[in-house]
Amino acid sequence: AQKITQTQPGMFVQEKEAVTLDCTYDTSDPSYGLFWYKQPSSGEMIFLIYQGSYDQQNATEGRYSLNFQKARKSANLVISASQLGDSAMYFCAMREGGRKLIFGQGTELSVKP
Amino acid sequence: DTGVSQDPRHKITKRGQNVTFRCDPISEHNRLYWYRQTLGQGPEFLTYFQNEAQLEKSRLLSDRFSAERPKGSFSTLEIQRTEQGDSAMYLCASSLALAGVPNTGELFFGEGSRLTVL
Repeated sequence: AQKITQTQPGMFVQEKEAVTLDCTYDTSDPSYGLFWYKQPSSGEMIFLIYQGSYDQQNATEGRYSLNFQKARKSANLVISASQLGDSAMYFCAMREGGRKLIFGQGTELSVKP
Repeated sequence: DTGVSQDPRHKITKRGQNVTFRCDPISEHNRLYWYRQTLGQGPEFLTYFQNEAQLEKSRLLSDRFSAERPKGSFSTLEIQRTEQGDSAMYLCASSLALAGVPNTGELFFGEGSRLTVL
């Protein structure tokens, strides 16, 4: 069974607009963490934001925020004021307990000038 | 540079040859992970170490694959008798996990080693 599902293979957004990238997850472990990574065309994986399953508030890091809806098992990434440099692949990932990260299939974001 | 480093960055080999990749993690990190990524896909977990102990191996890791972390520092990933299906980017990542110390456990990735099997 897919643990992490990203249903948007590709997304387009106009520069300076906000965009939401979807992520749903599946786990029965009460303790888990959710991550978003960015992978530009150069290939390196860049950590963006983290949300713990017990965190009461949605995580925010600069222009990135994570819309965490625990009951719906969703952890969508919101990027505000998109920039051309935001064009990249975005991966949602989950860690159950203290173990490995499992990644979704990714969403390719293209920012239009 | 104190990040995760991987060597070589690119490797082209003929089918049937053996290849070895090396990963040097961030020095104070006790966990080291190997992932494989093919074009247009997310990274797939292969294996991870805590210090020198290999704690988990994916079923993706066939008997042609072996990973070691002999002194709990750098790690090697060897692929024997390479096949064309092994062509991928091999990513190494490290993290710090301390019992009783809460942290996000984020993974810090290297730039990857791209393998092409002809």
